[in-house]
Amino acid sequence: DIQMTQSPSSLSASVGDRVTITCRASQSISTYLNWYQQKPGRAPKLLIYAASHLHSGVPSRLSGSGSGTDFTLTINSLQPEDFATYYCQQSYRTPYTFGQGTKLEIK
Amino acid sequence: EVQLVESGGGLVKPGGSLRLSCAASGFTFSSYTMTWVRQAPGKGLEWVSSISSVSSYRHYADSVNGRFTISRDNARNSLFLQLNSLRAEDTAVYFCAFELEHDDAFDIWGQGTMVTVSS
Repeated sequence: DIQMTQSPSSLSASVGDRVTITCRASQSISTYLNWYQQKPGRAPKLLIYAASHLHSGVPSRLSGSGSGTDFTLTINSLQPEDFATYYCQQSYRTPYTFGQGTKLEIK
Repeated sequence: EVQLVESGGGLVKPGGSLRLSCAASGFTFSSYTMTWVRQAPGKGLEWVSSISSVSSYRHYADSVNGRFTISRDNARNSLFLQLNSLRAEDTAVYFCAFELEHDDAFDIWGQGTMVTVSS
């Protein structure tokens, strides 16, 4: 199975800050990497697909990059609605593994 | 409106069985691969199983292989997950999801149904 490792596991930041979350795959997955946001009690929401493509309706202050084994999600100018848990997920092959999540909290 | 609505969750004893359903609407259900993803309380997301549009392939996570069975009824726009030989570690919210706009990315999710395995 392909292991996905996110860092950090948690992160404190303030409104207006820029944050970066990283995701590393245990083997090359090309750009088969997606990012999701989840808030408590809610289903996940797709943010970024194919490593760097913004899903419709997602604000442009979010961006994704990377290929192969190393990927990043960057959020510029944090807004109150961005405080949530973020997951990466590989769709290169089944089982479609997720990272363990990064909880973004308000400082 | 594209919508997925899960049902069938509940409290079941270890070793018991449960059948989850996911009712789909607002899109051509028979054209899409469908997937179940679960989330244990306070934990991360875990892909469980996927089934192709005409049920020609089914994939399972190792943790559920041999105990869970995914199926679908395209005439009824419904996805199912049969959970057998349930264990405490199967306690989770179970979401159905699929890739509407982008291949290989789950952009549509249901609200989830809770399964609790406890004596």
